[in-house]
Amino acid sequence: DQQVKQNSPSLSVQEGRISILNCDYTNSMFDYFLWYKKYPAEGPTFLISISSIKDKNEDGRFTVFLNKSAKHLSLHIVPSQPGDSAVYFCAASEGNNDMRFGAGTRLTVKP
Amino acid sequence: DAGVIQSPRHEVTEMGQEVTLRCKPISGHNSLFWYRQTMMRGLELLIYFNNNVPIDDSGMPEDRFSAKMPNASFSTLKIQPSEPRDSAVYFCASTLTGTHTEAFFGQGTRLTVV
Repeated sequence: DQQVKQNSPSLSVQEGRISILNCDYTNSMFDYFLWYKKYPAEGPTFLISISSIKDKNEDGRFTVFLNKSAKHLSLHIVPSQPGDSAVYFCAASEGNNDMRFGAGTRLTVKP
Repeated sequence: DAGVIQSPRHEVTEMGQEVTLRCKPISGHNSLFWYRQTMMRGLELLIYFNNNVPIDDSGMPEDRFSAKMPNASFSTLKIQPSEPRDSAVYFCASTLTGTHTEAFFGQGTRLTVV
């Protein structure tokens, strides 16, 4: 039962352009959403999060948007840099319990 | 704090053997998660503990998998007997429940069953 879905397994963008990664969820009880970044041979590292009481959270080049009615969130990276190339995982939890992840999207930023 | 510590980093074993993966969470954290990374399902939650008690083990694929958390600073994930399809990277993560903070991951254990 995939409660968190990332339907795009990969994304390729040009350096300097915007990267948009998408995530959908099915459980309306989720109240906290996170994005993690993972490099090869390393554990995932936290990138940015958003609470369900907000619809946008920004941190430097990274912005997460939440659309609760559509059960959809997205991560925008502007401008994209080659060092952003990694696998990005979307995660959701209810009260910080039971954190569920999507399948991941591999982002490649080309110089 | 050194972060979440997993051991071993790599494990190669023969089919049918018992495998034990170990995790030391961050001190003070009260929730611990075990995940398995696969190409198809990404980070698949196997089990999570809160205050050393297993809360949800519905993600454990089969009875061959078991997990324990005897105290707040140690957890194990055991596979007995192991099969080639168990080959994957297994991650442990910890967090402080109820604070809406991120979970911190270990570097993972790459398991290969031949």
